Amino acid sequence: GALVYQYPRRTICKSGTSMRMECQAVGFQATSVAWYRQSPQKTFELIALSTVNSAIKYEQNFTQEKFPISHPNLSFSSMTVLNAYLEDRGLYLCGARDPDNYEQYFGPGTRLTVL
Amino acid sequence: QQNVQQSPESLIVPEGARTSLNCTFSDSASQYFWWYRQHSGKAPKALMSIFSNGEKEEGRFTIHLNKASLHFSLHIRDSQPSDSALYLCAVNRGSALGRLHFGAGTQLIVIP
Repeated sequence: GALVYQYPRRTICKSGTSMRMECQAVGFQATSVAWYRQSPQKTFELIALSTVNSAIKYEQNFTQEKFPISHPNLSFSSMTVLNAYLEDRGLYLCGARDPDNYEQYFGPGTRLTVL
Repeated sequence: QQNVQQSPESLIVPEGARTSLNCTFSDSASQYFWWYRQHSGKAPKALMSIFSNGEKEEGRFTIHLNKASLHFSLHIRDSQPSDSALYLCAVNRGSALGRLHFGAGTQLIVIP
């Protein structure tokens, strides 16, 4: 079956430092990976959509300079949160699209706490 | 530009009730429609999808889609406490590469 792994599951970093999170699709070849942030207030925001062999598209309020993403192949993507501050806290989810059924499978998320 | 809105924001119902969740979208070229469910502390998981106008039933869950009205809905029959979760609707134009547009979610609580 289709599964999406994310690691780490939880991370704590000091304000102003950076942390990297990874997303791996297993059982299917993801044609696109979307990164989302779910805030403590449960707001679900799209950060960027990454499609292999195409430019990564960032949503308004999110930039490559702050959230650089790497999507080198159809099963792996990583995103870094640079200079993390309190407002960056939340659950970071990656969703990988399966081209066979158009469904997006989510990983369990990386929960970021900023001190 | 797609705009996906969900209503209500939150809902509390007694066990056994029929629950209705609504989702409207703005892009008439949308072709694929999902409901995702996210239990507390877990990842969102696709619950049901529909690709053509009409109704689709799976167990206690039914989706209605009316593309002309730019609206689809999820109905839960005989709601159970285990149905308590955040429900997210999602819409896509039909490309496997394209973006899924999510609503902000409806928080459902089913009281025993």
